[in-house]
Amino acid sequence: SYDLSQPPSVSVSPGQTAVITCSGDQLGKKYVSWYQHKPGQSPVLLMYQDSKRPSGIPERFSGSNSGNTATLTLSGTQPMDEADYYCQAWDSNTARVFGSGTKVTVL
Amino acid sequence: QVQLQESGSGLVRPLQTLSLTCAVSGVPISSAGYSWSWIRQPPGKGLEWIGYIYQSGRTFYNPSLNSRVTISADRSKSQFSLTLSSVTAADTAVYYCARERDYSSGSYYDYWGQGTLVTVSS
Repeated sequence: SYDLSQPPSVSVSPGQTAVITCSGDQLGKKYVSWYQHKPGQSPVLLMYQDSKRPSGIPERFSGSNSGNTATLTLSGTQPMDEADYYCQAWDSNTARVFGSGTKVTVL
Repeated sequence: QVQLQESGSGLVRPLQTLSLTCAVSGVPISSAGYSWSWIRQPPGKGLEWIGYIYQSGRTFYNPSLNSRVTISADRSKSQFSLTLSSVTAADTAVYYCARERDYSSGSYYDYWGQGTLVTVSS
């Protein structure tokens, strides 16, 4: 099976930049999507095809993917961005996998 | 407006079968370019992909659950279902249904249900 590793936690001060990584073997050859998940709510799609933002997602969210690492960047982090973040990619043409998740704390 | 809504038993006894249904509104589940998925989150853990049913009716499952899971769809009722047999406490989780939008070499989940907690306990 294919594993996607994320740091368990990231802390950031309001207004600063948070960077969340997602690592997997040759991940840069796959498309990655990112989800924000707040307690008691459903996950929300933040990014697809590595760097595309769905309608309604603020420009402060950006993504990239190269080599073995995909990155989600939160610029000008706000208290409302405090949540768990998950990357997701294809394990194979038929299987899917989620990253281990990163808890973002806005201090 | 696409909406998904899970329903089913919130309490299942060990070794019994978990059954959930996801009602879809706003789009036919036979629409091209979409698959219909189940994803779960055990308490205190991350998201886990369970499987999906493609528009053609083909199904694909997480190998770790493959022998116990079945996903089916009823186009006439615009819903799809999950059954998971021989459950244990490890199957306790919030279960989400989601629409997966497919494109060349990738996909993403653009609509999710609100999630339903299933507890496995005697």
